[in-house]
Amino acid sequence: QKEVEQNSGPLSVPEGAIASLNCTYSDRGSQSFFWYRQYSGKSPELIMFIYSNGDKEDGRFTAQLNKASQYVSLLIRDSQPSDSATYLCAVTPVSGGYQKVTFGTGTKLQVIP
Amino acid sequence: DVKVTQSSRYLVKRTGEKVFLECVQDMDHENMFWYRQDPGLGLRLIYFSYDVKMKEKGDIPEGYSVSREKKERFSLILESASTNQTSMYLCASSSRTGSGEKLFFGSGTQLSVL
Repeated sequence: QKEVEQNSGPLSVPEGAIASLNCTYSDRGSQSFFWYRQYSGKSPELIMFIYSNGDKEDGRFTAQLNKASQYVSLLIRDSQPSDSATYLCAVTPVSGGYQKVTFGTGTKLQVIP
Repeated sequence: DVKVTQSSRYLVKRTGEKVFLECVQDMDHENMFWYRQDPGLGLRLIYFSYDVKMKEKGDIPEGYSVSREKKERFSLILESASTNQTSMYLCASSSRTGSGEKLFFGSGTQLSVL
């Protein structure tokens, strides 16, 4: 079983719709969860992080965490063509010092105008 | 503005050559990382460093070595390049916090080994 699993997609949504990206993880010791966005030919950039169960909102983005189900998701409201990218889920344990980051392979999102 | 700079965007080398990939960060971050990214395999950690002159193996260190002589600079060395090391190489840095590693990535080096 992969440590961090994501559906590779592509996930296609019409402009203005809500895009829902999902991620499951296997290590129950994971405490910190991150979403990175990677445009084609570019490097990943951090867009959201969440540490506690529940929702965290930042503009059009909402990260949702359910530790009991080992599930984290990213919702993008009012999707725009500029949101078309690959979204990488990443998790780390929190134990002080270096914390190994484990990435999923990413979900490709296509927003159709 | 946060900046991680990789010395080359594209690099073409021949098998058997020794290859140096350089990375510099200007954020005074303690931690620095080298990843490679391949289609379908995602990001895989090669080596990381949490302090000057310190290094730790990641998940796929074979065929690579690293050097960190100064806090801001982290070099990846391919001792004898092989075709299976053709890949996108990404350098990243992060500050040491208790809330997980927020990584800042460089723009990447696409290495082709012929």
